[in-house]
Amino acid sequence: TQLLEQSPQFLSIQEGENLTVYCNSSSVFSSLQWYRQEPGEGPVLLVTVVTGGEVKKLKRLTFQFGDARKDSSLHITAAQPGDTGLYLCAGPNQAGTALIFGKGTTLSVSS
Amino acid sequence: GAGVSQSPRYKVAKRGQDVALRCDPISGHVSLFWYQQALGQGPEFLTYFQNEAQLDKSGLPSDRFFAERPEGSVSTLKIQRTQQEDSAVYLCASSLVAGGRYEQFFGPGTRLTVL
Repeated sequence: TQLLEQSPQFLSIQEGENLTVYCNSSSVFSSLQWYRQEPGEGPVLLVTVVTGGEVKKLKRLTFQFGDARKDSSLHITAAQPGDTGLYLCAGPNQAGTALIFGKGTTLSVSS
Repeated sequence: GAGVSQSPRYKVAKRGQDVALRCDPISGHVSLFWYQQALGQGPEFLTYFQNEAQLDKSGLPSDRFFAERPEGSVSTLKIQRTQQEDSAVYLCASSLVAGGRYEQFFGPGTRLTVL
């Protein structure tokens, strides 16, 4: 069974702090996606990582895919209140018919 | 450029009632997915359509759940004889190409509360 475990589950920080969110699995994934979801809305894709060891940057967000393609991390530099939300990692199931999601990390950034 | 829309946004049902949730995907998107999301949790897969064909329904929790996409566009998720454990947000997503490996565009969800 493919599972994605995210940590921490909750994170509450002050504006300007840095943080890292982790997504781990015992299974190899062909790719991993990171989504951000705000209350009352559906998840929105931030990035897809495909190659082991890959690093992608999106403004203040840095995403890394582990060499063995079993884990990924999201690092936010100088967090802002607008970064508040639920961060989800997801990977395709073995059949390629759906995404398996982690339980998410709820981030709260206060000013 | 309309996104994925879902209706109703909120639904309250008495235990035992049947409900129908509608999803309008992005025009031209081949793939359509339904997910169930409990409060504060990640979405869990229910079923997948490629055009009008339901290729994977392994995530449907019981035979009370039924989904269709008869013309390859709009989809309906039906839940019969609702139970309290069915209370959740039901998300619909669509994707331009076949399969679940690529970017999925999500609707805002329907929040179902079963009393």
